[in-house]
Amino acid sequence: NAGVTQTPKFQVLKTGQSMTLQCAQDMNHEYMSWYRQDPGMGLRLIHYSVGAGITDQGEVPNGYNVSRSTTEDFPLRLLSAAPSQTSVYFCASSSSLAGNTIYFGEGSWLTVV
Amino acid sequence: AQSVTQPDIHITVSEGASLELRCNYSYGATPYLFWYVQSPGQGLQLLLKYFSGDTLVQGIKGFEAEFKRSQSSFNLRKPSVHWSDAAEYFCASGAGSYQLTFGKGTKLSVIP
Repeated sequence: NAGVTQTPKFQVLKTGQSMTLQCAQDMNHEYMSWYRQDPGMGLRLIHYSVGAGITDQGEVPNGYNVSRSTTEDFPLRLLSAAPSQTSVYFCASSSSLAGNTIYFGEGSWLTVV
Repeated sequence: AQSVTQPDIHITVSEGASLELRCNYSYGATPYLFWYVQSPGQGLQLLLKYFSGDTLVQGIKGFEAEFKRSQSSFNLRKPSVHWSDAAEYFCASGAGSYQLTFGKGTKLSVIP
């Protein structure tokens, strides 16, 4: 049972490049979310999904795209990276059928230069 | 919009002293409430959670939190702090587990 797996763990991008942060969970959770963490800001919700085919915006969605074609995967796409997107990204999953316990991935450290 | 306030950015306590970290939330109904701890460069570890029922919640590592609806608070407590408790602590709330609002965190330093 791997839980929530995020890849890559570290990435350096140049301004304007695009990339995808991968998130996969093997617990059949219906809920998945992406957060970013910046110093002094706590975690802020980027996008979330309540099931396959359903996504919605969180607090800071601009510059990010998501899709949920399967229950297991919830990739986060940076369309044109900007230095302001330098952050640590966390993926999370949970299920109402499993007590709403939230499982977080280990984080992805992204630097945009 | 929901908000979570952690009024203390940094707290320093002596080892063995008691600890209380404050958290206030804004939400009309009873939200899902969580406390997480994070060591530098690490991920988030759940200390405890409250959804409903008994307002005093016991968590891991000797932590507890009390939900007070009248004060919109969910303060975290520990009777005796250990040096290994030094970390950053985050309070979070949400209408559901997929849509959390986090506080900005309280950094705890422990003096030996």
